[in-house]
Amino acid sequence: GAVVSQHPSWVICKSGTSVKIECRSLDFQATTMFWYRQFPKQSLMLMATSNEGSKATYEQGVEKDKFLINHASLTLSTLTVTSAHPEDSSFYICSARLGGGEETQYFGPGTRLLVL
Amino acid sequence: GQNIDQPTEMTATEGAIVQINCTYQTSGFNGLFWYQQHAGEAPTFLSYNVLDGLEEKGRFSSFLSRSKGYSYLLLKELQMKDSASYLCAVMDSNYQLIWGAGTKLIIKP
Repeated sequence: GAVVSQHPSWVICKSGTSVKIECRSLDFQATTMFWYRQFPKQSLMLMATSNEGSKATYEQGVEKDKFLINHASLTLSTLTVTSAHPEDSSFYICSARLGGGEETQYFGPGTRLLVL
Repeated sequence: GQNIDQPTEMTATEGAIVQINCTYQTSGFNGLFWYQQHAGEAPTFLSYNVLDGLEEKGRFSSFLSRSKGYSYLLLKELQMKDSASYLCAVMDSNYQLIWGAGTKLIIKP
């Protein structure tokens, strides 16, 4: 149980384009989903926390207009990187938490974004 | 401020035992997590401790002392596939996860 999927696993795009990444909890309903970014050999960096049906809470320094998060259902959250630039190239990982006293975050497999 | 400390890198021998320590200073405490992250992959959940003591799960055990702000992850009968980074994370009073930088564990034959 507690499987989280992400799609796509790899994205290569041109500078200026927008990229959408999907995160799905496959066998449970996630009240809260999280989006992280990880640069090579660095720690996980939390970008934002999203609760189903409400606006995402962004961490300091993360531009909400650039990284659009939609948590439309209890099993799906999307991250859209708008007008991507080479510095946005990174490993984006989502996680989902069941809630209701179950605090463990289960991670998706991650999405590698390369912006040329 | 909130702080999680763990060693940057450790080396151990296949078949041996290794202990990875984690100390923390956070605003409140709602549990401590250990995750394993292989290079190029997302983290996978290993353990969750919220009460003092030792939790054993197969070859892996995790210990917590809340009064000392200290935890360790113990790996027994090390295998080559255990080479990975091990992340310590503490959930604070706001139920936010505070992440350590991770300990890279290198297993040698």
